[in-house]
Amino acid sequence: QKEVEQNSGPLSVPEGAIASLNCTYSDRGSQSFFWYRQYSGKSPELIMFIYSNGDKEDGRFTAQLNKASQYVSLLIRDSQPSDSATYLCAVNAGYSTLTFGKGTMLLVSP
Amino acid sequence: DTGVSQDPRHKITKRGQNVTFRCDPISEHNRLYWYRQTLGQGPEFLTYFQNEAQLEKSRLLSDRFSAERPKGSFSTLEIQRTEQGDSAMYLCASSLTRGSPSTDTQYFGPGTRLTVL
Repeated sequence: QKEVEQNSGPLSVPEGAIASLNCTYSDRGSQSFFWYRQYSGKSPELIMFIYSNGDKEDGRFTAQLNKASQYVSLLIRDSQPSDSATYLCAVNAGYSTLTFGKGTMLLVSP
Repeated sequence: DTGVSQDPRHKITKRGQNVTFRCDPISEHNRLYWYRQTLGQGPEFLTYFQNEAQLEKSRLLSDRFSAERPKGSFSTLEIQRTEQGDSAMYLCASSLTRGSPSTDTQYFGPGTRLTVL
């Protein structure tokens, strides 16, 4: 059973701070990792993906992957109230389908 | 590139009725996926197509559910004899497979919210 675990939150941070969102996965064969943002009542929106160990930066977002620890994280720098949403971690275990975590709710207060 | 579209956006039906949803993927995307999402949960995979071939179905997809992608373009998901437990957001996603399917990036449509009374 492939599992993806996320803290449900909410994670509360003040505007301008760094938000750190974490995700662990159970399948060691997992090959690609995705972060989606989902506003309430809306569909998931892709933020970024990462395949290799290490860090990948895209604007205010940085994804970090540690395959040995089966851990992936998303850092959001200079958090804005508009970043308040649920962040979904998704893992592809080498097939074609994604296994999602339940998501972490992020609240950025002005 | 107009993105993934889904129709209808909302559907309210009575228990026992049949419903059908449509998904139009991003043009030229060869893979199309259906997911279901309930409140407080992440999306759960239901089935996916590469072109017109249905390649995988989740055990979540009971025999009341059927999906088609007849010409490798749009897809339909039909639920027969709906039950209250079918109430959920039904999400469609598409991707373009360039090589390794494990690196496919899936883009989601707006979803169809189903309420079964």
